Amino acid sequence: ETGVTQTPRHLVMGMTNKKSLKCEQHLGHNAMYWYKQSAKKPLELMFVYNFKEQTENNSVPSRFSPECPNSSHLFLHLHTLQPEDSALYLCASSRELVSGANVLTFGAGSRLTVL
Amino acid sequence: SQELEQSPQSLIVQEGKNLTINCTSSKTLYGLYWYKQKYGEGLIFLMMLQKGGEEKSHEKITAKLDEKKQQSSLHITASQPSHAGIYLCGVSHASGTYKYIFGTGTRLKVLA
Repeated sequence: ETGVTQTPRHLVMGMTNKKSLKCEQHLGHNAMYWYKQSAKKPLELMFVYNFKEQTENNSVPSRFSPECPNSSHLFLHLHTLQPEDSALYLCASSRELVSGANVLTFGAGSRLTVL
Repeated sequence: SQELEQSPQSLIVQEGKNLTINCTSSKTLYGLYWYKQKYGEGLIFLMMLQKGGEEKSHEKITAKLDEKKQQSSLHITASQPSHAGIYLCGVSHASGTYKYIFGTGTRLKVLA
């Protein structure tokens, strides 16, 4: 496989469930990102990892818990979510964190619906 | 006011027509990126602009960054149904940061 792969593509969960989103990249990149895309709102940066170390937590509620075991894998653990958390969650990667020249490669996204 | 605004929000054109999408920032840009998103899917990188006055082209899509580095335009010549999707601009507003701010996107529909 090539590029950035996200699983599952679709997820429906209740507010008391615990689930995880998975992202895998086969590009040899060292930086990985989680973005949230809600209807009619700009993409929101959630977390950034560089060489497995978290470098950004954009004031994300603790019900979202990221994990980056290595530079190729990124997880987003979900628990006790709210209906307003329903959105498209996009994973992205880049070669490294470079100011002003940071091209992102995105996965196809995981569509999350919280009932 | 918004830090980054895209216009128009949506656009419907007849196949073969030219169109322009704008991305305007309230601050000087250090890097501007254009991405395309098919509905409900991930973003695909189109072009990156960094220098004032810079212009880049990819197939029938041309993007330019103005001299003041606060506005970019994306121009599609002789549009085709394959151009349909959401076009998003992303910017970095400060030197030394990798963080993007994205616009809300422009939804383009091309009628065959």
